[in-house]
Amino acid sequence: EADIYQTPRYLVIGTGKKITLECSQTMGHDKMYWYQQDPGMELHLIHYSYGVNSTEKGDLSSESTVSRIRTEHFPLTLESARPSHTSQYLCASSPKDRENSPLHFGNGTRLTVT
Amino acid sequence: AQSVTQLGSHVSVSEGALVLLRCNYSSSVPPYLFWYVQYPNQGLQLLLKYTTGATLVKGINGFEAEFKKSETSFHLTKPSAHMSDAAEYFCAVTAPEYGNKLVFGAGTILRVKS
Repeated sequence: EADIYQTPRYLVIGTGKKITLECSQTMGHDKMYWYQQDPGMELHLIHYSYGVNSTEKGDLSSESTVSRIRTEHFPLTLESARPSHTSQYLCASSPKDRENSPLHFGNGTRLTVT
Repeated sequence: AQSVTQLGSHVSVSEGALVLLRCNYSSSVPPYLFWYVQYPNQGLQLLLKYTTGATLVKGINGFEAEFKKSETSFHLTKPSAHMSDAAEYFCAVTAPEYGNKLVFGAGTILRVKS
């Protein structure tokens, strides 16, 4: 049973469209993350946030942007989708006050850009 | 050097046989170590974690892993595989040299044959 929700689960969209992937969690976690997952590859951290109005870029360069206006909400936006953005995007969260707490993951959004 | 190395992108075992999934990490200090499992079309779920203390860690679904500092390893085992264990397994590490962010291996897909 997921306490972190991602929508949509699947998205097929044309090149050049603007898209927003939604992520919400009900656990009151301060830390939230976006990972990009491709078959046979490591999960790559593309964005993270340690609290409201705090966002940082991760280890993998990404053309996407994120915002953190509310604790529970951490949407990811692509202004102009390209085929190279085709991937699975996983959102995760963890509590801030417990060092090295495990991450809680959503079920992911599988994005296909045609 | 790669932070987390999982030997074998695919492992196949018979039902009832021993499961052994290998993970080696690189870190100059004792890290925190995790194993996650991902079932098809789902997000990642924590199997077990090592932070401090006992080096043999027991997780859910009968899995366990042993932290061996001398070998920089954290291999995942289960004495008897079940069909429901078929999934992808990810080893992950966090340490100060990684900015205390979670770094994942490339994953190992476990297939269980009847």
